[in-house]
Amino acid sequence: QVQLVQSGAEVKKPGASVKVSCKASGYTFTGYYMHWVRQAPGQGLEWMGRINPNSGGTNYAQKFQGRVTMTRDTSISTAYMELSRLRSDDTAVYYCARDRGVVVTATFGYWGQGTLVTVSS
Amino acid sequence: EIVMTQSPATLSVSPGERATLSCRASQSVSSNLAWYQQKPGQAPRLLIYGASTRATGIPARFSGSGSGTEFTLTISSLQSEDFAVYYCQQYNNWPPTFGGGTKVEIK
Repeated sequence: QVQLVQSGAEVKKPGASVKVSCKASGYTFTGYYMHWVRQAPGQGLEWMGRINPNSGGTNYAQKFQGRVTMTRDTSISTAYMELSRLRSDDTAVYYCARDRGVVVTATFGYWGQGTLVTVSS
Repeated sequence: EIVMTQSPATLSVSPGERATLSCRASQSVSSNLAWYQQKPGQAPRLLIYGASTRATGIPARFSGSGSGTEFTLTISSLQSEDFAVYYCQQYNNWPPTFGGGTKVEIK
């Protein structure tokens, strides 16, 4: 069965960077795009970007351009999302979410359990 | 980017009753509309894609309809496990965007 297991909660100071991992199992890692979605406390969902695990190609939401980097390590079926120059309003749960289709659809059929990132001085 | 607006923000329904949730797009998204369910402390779960196709394992009491700018998620007979927040999401235009959510609570 498809599983996405994310790294644990992080507490960071403003201006720092955070790197969240997402280990995939139960399917061919390079066969499906991986997306990252975040959710601030008590708020809705916000798409951040995606990575093609096969090629490493990425697309980011305009809002995060220049601050976010998505990478992958195919040898261990793991995707990463790094967010730099953190601000207090980056406090959120960050999810990895696998695309539903082999052809990218930008619908999210499987989700990680989420990683809480708290930004506080 | 396309703005998705959901209504109502909160819907109070008794178990066994029908729930109707609405989602409106700021411009046409064709049928490229998905619905997700999220329970407290959990990740979202895909319910519907293509406006009306149920995802794998989703009960038949969940149905989606609409196209263009107006969409509806209907839960025909609410079960206790259906009380949650529901989000719509368009994937027709870049970037994909979500609505603000509708909370379905017990009346």
